[in-house]
Amino acid sequence: GAGVSQTPSNKVTEKGKYVELRCDPISGHTALYWYRQSLGQGPEFLIYFQGTGAADDSGLPNDRFFAVRPEGSVSTLKIQRTERGDSAVYLCASSLRRQGRAGELFFGEGSRLTVL
Amino acid sequence: AQRVTQPEKLLSVFKGAPVELKCNYSYSGSPELFWYVQYSRQRLQLLLRHISRESIKGFTADLNKGETSFHLKKPFAQEEDSAMYYCALSGRPNSGGSNYKLTFGKGTLLTVNP
Repeated sequence: GAGVSQTPSNKVTEKGKYVELRCDPISGHTALYWYRQSLGQGPEFLIYFQGTGAADDSGLPNDRFFAVRPEGSVSTLKIQRTERGDSAVYLCASSLRRQGRAGELFFGEGSRLTVL
Repeated sequence: AQRVTQPEKLLSVFKGAPVELKCNYSYSGSPELFWYVQYSRQRLQLLLRHISRESIKGFTADLNKGETSFHLKKPFAQEEDSAMYYCALSGRPNSGGSNYKLTFGKGTLLTVNP
């Protein structure tokens, strides 16, 4: 399919472990976003990439969270020393670049992370 | 800071009744408002945006800058409208420059009963 693809769809890990979540955006979309959605909440902004660079990482909660997009396409969200509070659905979205502001975001189905 | 408030977590109406999902925002700049929808077992998707001034699936929303609101309305609700609705905010800051961050509200779960 041509939509945003996220893997894994489900990840169960133990407290203190390292986790990587992958996002494959729509081909040709230069903008890529990561959001976190906890139960009963709306999507919470984490980080935005324009091409290979993180243009806005103001939403990353602390230095345990890191994201990369080395070739301007696939992105990986990395979480070190996971905590139970990190349990959430992690959403990736991509969009065409619009001058100066956010365009329509196309979302993946999310990666559900459970930290035991 | 940019903030979105959706005061109702749950909204239940009968088929054929009018529906209004409330959204208020706070933003220091020229706002751009969106409604996103998530149907059961589907991914989050754009429903409509204020700059397009369009009607999608019978839904409309008008940006009221005086009241800082962007309420979503439909005159006659259908059962297939049952879903989670999120209001979202972006826009250009007063300070100039760019703003690519899209901020979401907590969402309203709409249930349309037969």
